[in-house]
Amino acid sequence: NAGVMQNPRHLVRRRGQEARLRCSPMKGHSHVYWYRQLPEEGLKFMVYLQKENIIDESGMPKERFSAEFPKEGPSILRIQQVVRGDSAAYFCASSPRVNQPQHFGDGTRLSIL
Amino acid sequence: RKEVEQDPGPFNVPEGATVAFNCTYSNSASQSFFWYRQDCRKEPKLLMSVYSSGNEDGRFTAQLNRASQYISLLIRDSKLSDSATYLCVVNTLNTGFQKLVFGTGTRLLVSP
Repeated sequence: NAGVMQNPRHLVRRRGQEARLRCSPMKGHSHVYWYRQLPEEGLKFMVYLQKENIIDESGMPKERFSAEFPKEGPSILRIQQVVRGDSAAYFCASSPRVNQPQHFGDGTRLSIL
Repeated sequence: RKEVEQDPGPFNVPEGATVAFNCTYSNSASQSFFWYRQDCRKEPKLLMSVYSSGNEDGRFTAQLNRASQYISLLIRDSKLSDSATYLCVVNTLNTGFQKLVFGTGTRLLVSP
């Protein structure tokens, strides 16, 4: 039973480009969460999605960041016009139900040149 | 004040030692509590949930004190493989879902 799959593992972008991070939840999990971990800091909640719905995006920066979880396919975290401060590890987690423990993917390490 | 506070360490202990980590949280409405483990440049992995009655899983014991808003993790008979960062995690279910709040972690180094 595959775990939470994230790709790419590493992503390098130049300032001003777009970054797309993908997350496929564990089989049977319909709840997806995105977190960001800046260097030397704890994970910070960004957004919680269920299929085709954003449930809570209170942790998302107001501009340039968006997330989706379509009916078919992985969840996507999209960062437009990236800046150096976006360099971080982005982790996706999934759970089978809203009050069940979350299981994390390996993360995507985003580096901005 | 951070929502979840932990001593960053590092804690340097020899193999076989017993080590304890503490954590405090500020939101009295927090509903559930966890310890996660994170190896260097890896994803967090759930170590154990923490219950008011205290719970044990092999060499690991977790305790919760709701009155003091305090969580602890005790590791007995430390192994080299226990070297990692231990994350105290709190969930406030009154938001309707598991909105996890992570501490910055306590780093443990177990030496031969």
